[in-house]
Amino acid sequence: SAVISQKPSRDICQRGTSLTIQCQVDSQVTMMFWYRQQPGQSLTLIATANQGSEATYESGFVIDKFPISRPNLTFSTLTVSNMSPEDSSIYLCSVLSGTEAFFGQGTRLTVV
Amino acid sequence: AQSVTQPDIHITVSEGASLELRCNYSYGATPYLFWYVQSPGQGLQLLLKYFSGDTLVQGIKGFEAEFKRSQSSFNLRKPSVHWSDAAEYFCAVGARSGGYNKLIFGAGTRLAVHP
Repeated sequence: SAVISQKPSRDICQRGTSLTIQCQVDSQVTMMFWYRQQPGQSLTLIATANQGSEATYESGFVIDKFPISRPNLTFSTLTVSNMSPEDSSIYLCSVLSGTEAFFGQGTRLTVV
Repeated sequence: AQSVTQPDIHITVSEGASLELRCNYSYGATPYLFWYVQSPGQGLQLLLKYFSGDTLVQGIKGFEAEFKRSQSSFNLRKPSVHWSDAAEYFCAVGARSGGYNKLIFGAGTRLAVHP
């Protein structure tokens, strides 16, 4: 199994600013994922982050808006840049351990 | 492209009644299939998963799901619902290639339970 800690758990931010979300895992994992869950919606994959390589972004998401770092096998960050109210969502970090995906508690972001 | 459809956005059942949540997937090969539950303010919890073998899968909290290849379905069932089962349920498919590298989620089904 894997235990994931995400910080912050929630934040309220001004439009035009940026927020960096941290994801810490209690074991070394190859693949880490970042998802967005807009209000009342399902989870949408933003990008996959492997240690030592550039993140792979899904259609509709770009590195300039959502830069990701993966400095080691237990840690990753997602930055939401130049925020607008449309970025208000829950952002979740996920890892694969064996054949199971584990999720953090999420970061609830509100942009005002 | 892979996709997951959960036709029922919202379901209400009485406590003690049986439950079936529908899930249909689109994928060219045999997929990895999952059901997750998300309680209000909580993270996602895995209920059960199917990779291969017996098509009837048992999970936690008394849930089970049946993989039907002919119908491209993976419906979740519970014989008797408890009030604590009220939550959002997500079906997901993992692309299969010696493992899987991402999950595609359905839109979710919100379950309400009447006392």
